[in-house]
Amino acid sequence: DVKVTQSSRYLVKRTGEKVFLECVQDMDHENMFWYRQDPGLGLRLIYFSYDVKMKEKGDIPEGYSVSREKKERFSLILESASTNQTSMYLCASSFSSGSPYEQYFGPGTRLTVT
Amino acid sequence: ILNVEQSPQSLHVQEGDSTNFTCSFPSSNFYALHWYRWETAKSPEALFVMTLNGDEKKKGRISATLNTKEGYSYLYIKGSQPEDSATYLCANKEAGKSTFGDGTTLTVKP
Repeated sequence: DVKVTQSSRYLVKRTGEKVFLECVQDMDHENMFWYRQDPGLGLRLIYFSYDVKMKEKGDIPEGYSVSREKKERFSLILESASTNQTSMYLCASSFSSGSPYEQYFGPGTRLTVT
Repeated sequence: ILNVEQSPQSLHVQEGDSTNFTCSFPSSNFYALHWYRWETAKSPEALFVMTLNGDEKKKGRISATLNTKEGYSYLYIKGSQPEDSATYLCANKEAGKSTFGDGTTLTVKP
């Protein structure tokens, strides 16, 4: 079974702090994704990566950056957390862009910025 | 249709009712459509991967159809059970990434 894990289920940070959210997948997937989910807004793509050290902006990249130094790990970084970044963050992975296959999601991290 | 749209936004049914909801997506340059089920306190999990016009997939009491020419997919649940309560997401897979609809939240009352 594909497993996608995220470093924390719940996180509380202060405004201005630098925040790291880590995601690891164990199925050798090429693609990895970071989403945020807010009530009434569905899943919105922040960043994705299709290979090590490669990254692409999603729909809402402002205020975020990412890092993919190893194939299995994709990190989301909030350089200076703000209250409007309070949200549920979901990581996902999938096989390469050329395949029709679905994404596999991690359990999510509920981040609160105070 | 420029984005992925799902309707209705929410649905409340009684146990045993059959129900269906709709996903609309851009019909040009179609590649694949995914349906996911997202239960409370869990991760979204894929139900179906659909790639061909006219595709019909089935998993137990849940089935889905696909019309790529007109850009829509239907999800059907026959004889809803309380454990079917969840948010059902569809996603239009493009090159590398997917665009998700806002989902249909189904509540099945015993």
